[in-house]
Amino acid sequence: DTAVSQTPKYLVTQMGNDKSIKCEQNLGHDTMYWYKQDSKKFLKIMFSYNNKELIINETVPNRFSPKSPDKAHLNLHINSLELGDSAVYFCASSGTAHPYEQYFGPGTRLTVT
Amino acid sequence: AQSVAQPEDQVNVAEGNPLTVKCTYSVSGNPYLFWYVQYPNRGLQFLLKYITGDNLVKGSYGFEAEFNKSQTSFHLKKPSALVSDSALYFCAVSDSGGGADGLTFGKGTHLIIQP
Repeated sequence: DTAVSQTPKYLVTQMGNDKSIKCEQNLGHDTMYWYKQDSKKFLKIMFSYNNKELIINETVPNRFSPKSPDKAHLNLHINSLELGDSAVYFCASSGTAHPYEQYFGPGTRLTVT
Repeated sequence: AQSVAQPEDQVNVAEGNPLTVKCTYSVSGNPYLFWYVQYPNRGLQFLLKYITGDNLVKGSYGFEAEFNKSQTSFHLKKPSALVSDSALYFCAVSDSGGGADGLTFGKGTHLIIQP
């Protein structure tokens, strides 16, 4: 009965590769997000999707692209991976009943070598 | 632009003592304030929020926070700390109120409760 799930949990890859991280929520929420947490634990919003529309897009490289096949999924595609992309990526979601409460997934630790 | 400051990287408290984790914010409009907790190797968990109303808000696990508009602060408190409260705590703010925008988080404060 996991609310927000992410796969994979760990991802180790080489520079220049293309990878994807998947996120699914079973809460019926309308909005989903991607956050990046760096090695110093600083957490920063990357994207959010509401009803399949991109709401905000922070100044992240265009190598990162969110893809939402439906309301329950928001996947993150990363092209031409760089060393600086190493971080923990968190997916989150929120619903219209309590739009300020975000539910986070367990995170995906990405290591680029 | 909105921002959050958590001035302490780490707070150490003896078990049973009261605890306070500090947070100050800056927003252009009305602040919507939140506290989240992150346990090791886990995602963030929502603790409590201030949207409007009483300045003292109560949340999960016995935590509460006090909104102080004049000091632009939203400090997290608990009357009696437990060892299991040891975790990383994030203060966050939004000025949109709509929920669809992401939250702006502080850098986090490590709370260590000593037995």
